[in-house]
Amino acid sequence: NFMLTQPHSVSESPGKTVTFSCTRSSGSIATNYVQWYQQRPGSAPTTVIYEDDQRPSGVPDRFSGSIDSSSNSASLTISGLKTEDEADYYCQSYDSSGNGVFGGGTKLTVL
Amino acid sequence: QVQLVQSGSELKKPGASVKVSCKASGNTFTTYALNWVRQAPGQGLEWLGWIDTNTGRPTNAQAFTGRFVFSLDTSVRTTYLQISSLKAEDTAIYYCVRGIEWGQGTLVTVSS
Repeated sequence: NFMLTQPHSVSESPGKTVTFSCTRSSGSIATNYVQWYQQRPGSAPTTVIYEDDQRPSGVPDRFSGSIDSSSNSASLTISGLKTEDEADYYCQSYDSSGNGVFGGGTKLTVL
Repeated sequence: QVQLVQSGSELKKPGASVKVSCKASGNTFTTYALNWVRQAPGQGLEWLGWIDTNTGRPTNAQAFTGRFVFSLDTSVRTTYLQISSLKAEDTAIYYCVRGIEWGQGTLVTVSS
């Protein structure tokens, strides 16, 4: 099986752009779709990106996802940061058997 | 849009069992698989497994075999997670996930 590695924390100022990475340890990042979830304190996770780069209805277009085969990683980018974006962000993918794999999560602080 | 509504919080003693339910709204119940995820206090997300809502076939993550059982009742559009022989380390919020939708979570506390 593979692991998804995320940085533990990121800080950025309001109005700026931040990018989270999610690196797959083995196998190609392009093999299975990557999802991104936002979890605000005390709340259930919500999906902000699915199938690598698709945005659910209701998610602002400030959120975008991509994958990079050269670094074998997925990225979530949030532009025009707002204080309400402060949350934990998790990436997730599936292995070849359909088993889910989560990254450890990145805590975003907007200060 | 699918909504997932989970059952309420549970407080159980070590060794007991618990059954968490997840009811889906809408009439596309068998279109998507239903996944179960848990989050221990202050920790990240762990994928427990999923159930095929067409066939009822469950698939458990390797770390969650034996004590964790997934089932469903299509007549009421509800899936279930049953955990037996509860341990203190099973204390967590348990979420059901279908497509891009998440349930609100069910807190299971295991304490003597």
